Formats: sequence, structure tokens, C-alpha cells
Amino acid sequence: DAKTTQPTSMDCAEGRAANLPCNHSTISGNEYVYWYRQIHSQGPQYIIHGLKNNETNEMASLIITEDRKSSTLILPHATLRDTAVYYCIVRVAHTGANNLFFGTGTRLTVIP
Amino acid sequence: DAGVTQSPTHLIKTRGQQVTLRCSPKSGHDTVSWYQQALGQGPQFIFQYYEEEERQRGNFPDRFSGHQFPNYSSELNVNALLLGDSALYLCASSLVGTEDEKLFFGSGTQLSVL
Repeated sequence: DAKTTQPTSMDCAEGRAANLPCNHSTISGNEYVYWYRQIHSQGPQYIIHGLKNNETNEMASLIITEDRKSSTLILPHATLRDTAVYYCIVRVAHTGANNLFFGTGTRLTVIP
Repeated sequence: DAGVTQSPTHLIKTRGQQVTLRCSPKSGHDTVSWYQQALGQGPQFIFQYYEEEERQRGNFPDRFSGHQFPNYSSELNVNALLLGDSALYLCASSLVGTEDEKLFFGSGTQLSVL
């Protein structure tokens, strides 16, 4: 699976939108972009995923560029509970393989 | 609906010993994957079990082995423990054939090797 590049850390004011970027310039046509987050002392939690269209769910929005070489996870109104490490992962979907490559992620700190 | 449960939550062992970690998947899930997370790093894939067989394996030595039972629960065994095996061990479950293929993770077992 393709590797990703994320900033090591970011800060966001509470109540503001948090925009977390991810570069995946070597992504293949059959690879999806997944986002997980890990709150301290917990296992990772699935947030959202997409192939090429923008996606939105109750947790976040995912914006994927037209060339698919980068994406942005948007938390529209960050709260203190959103403080976590966010992982951008690309994977070939529908193979049944769960060997995700997490990298080191972006540590998001939401500031009161 | 119980999520992924792991036991024990914490464990202390000495070098050379053997350890067994346990995982019960989320209700309805049939696939279990194990990850190792060293301090300050992202989780690293160890292996995946489906239909009681190892289906995928990451870059881990044979000291790491596993098992999946008919009820889909799983064990991770590590032999001849090294100091470097100290880490958080995460279990994740999923259901083959779902559209989103998302993994559900447990809270992990913190293993300390002295």
C-alpha cells in the first residue's frame, strides 16, 4: 500500500474547524484513503474513508483532490475530545486484507 | 453490543519468558488482526486471522504466533521475550465483505518486558 505524509503536529482552537492534510502522491487507482484517530490510552477509531469523491459523515468530512495525490480531513467544530493522533492510511479495498500502514500520524491538540 | 475486548490490560514479563494475549472480536465479526504499537509510534501490523487461519503477516519473527478459535476469538503468543517487545498490543476485528471494511480496535494490552 502507498505511504502517506502528514504533519507531525497541529493545534486548533476549540469550536473552530480543524483541517488535517495528508499527501499520498503514489496512490494507485484502486486504493482508498482512510482516516483513523487514536485518543490517548485507547485503540484507533475509524473516522471516514473515500476513493475520489468528497465524503461526509457525522464525525468529519474528507476532501480528496482531483488528482488524488492529497486529501484533507475536516473536523468542522473541534472540541477538546477531538485531541488525538490522526492517521491517514491508503489501502486497496475489497481484498479482505487488514494490513494497514499507520505511520506516525498528526498529533492534533485542541486548545480551549 | 460489546466491542472488541482484550485481556489482560497490563502485563509484566521478564526476558525469555512467553506470553499469551487474548482478544474477543466485536459481535458479528469474523476476522481478527493484531498490531504492535511501540511508544510514540503508529501501530504495526503483525498478522490477520480469518476462518482460523493466518491470512496475512507483517514483518515479525516466528516468535510471534497466533490462533483463532471457532468462536472467532483469537490469541497472540510471543515466545522468548525481548526487551524490545515492550509495547501496546492492539487487536482489531472486522467482517469480511462489508463495503467500508473498517476495523474496530480494542484498547490493547500493555506489555512490559523487564
